[in-house]
Amino acid sequence: SQELEQSPQSLIVQEGKNLTINCTSSKTLYGLYWYKQKYGEGLIFLMMLQKGGEEKSHEKITAKLDEKKQQSSLHITASQPSHAGIYLCGADIGGAQKLVFGQGTRLTINP
Amino acid sequence: DVKVTQSSRYLVKRTGEKVFLECVQDMDHENMFWYRQDPGLGLRLIYFSYDVKMKEKGDIPEGYSVSREKKERFSLILESASTNQTSMYLCASRRSIGKLFFGSGTQLSVL
Repeated sequence: SQELEQSPQSLIVQEGKNLTINCTSSKTLYGLYWYKQKYGEGLIFLMMLQKGGEEKSHEKITAKLDEKKQQSSLHITASQPSHAGIYLCGADIGGAQKLVFGQGTRLTINP
Repeated sequence: DVKVTQSSRYLVKRTGEKVFLECVQDMDHENMFWYRQDPGLGLRLIYFSYDVKMKEKGDIPEGYSVSREKKERFSLILESASTNQTSMYLCASRRSIGKLFFGSGTQLSVL
């Protein structure tokens, strides 16, 4: 079983629409990381969140870590074809140095 | 820029062979990780190391071993390759906390 659950696993949206991807853990998250992977390419670091309630934005992507530090959301505003890819959340769980990932969300943007 | 180098981009091996995947980082990072990536399963942690000669099992260590004799190098060993170990293998490194820096991956096919 996965220590981090991402939802949805797959998402198809119309270009210009907003969307949200969630990442949930049953344990406290000490560091939460969002990565993006274009098909067949390497992982691109998007954002890191560490404090409960923290929110970061980059261009049209906003990520939040909830107050209880057990869930994070990634929100994309006015989606574009360049946003297509696989989004992965990773986290330091339980204070350990091991960093685990969710199963990923495959995002498709339809023109 | 941090560089994480994996020795091979593509590798084809036969069932039963012993396989070595090499990873080198140039930023004096304490922690190094090996993941495998399979469609729909995200990144699954095989092993990680937080110091020279130190290693910890991840979520799927069976059939694998690792070696870290020098700080900059972390090797993944498939003792007797099997077809279900056909996958993309990703090496990563970081300081004791913080974002991971990934290599470009090794696509291993076991025939």
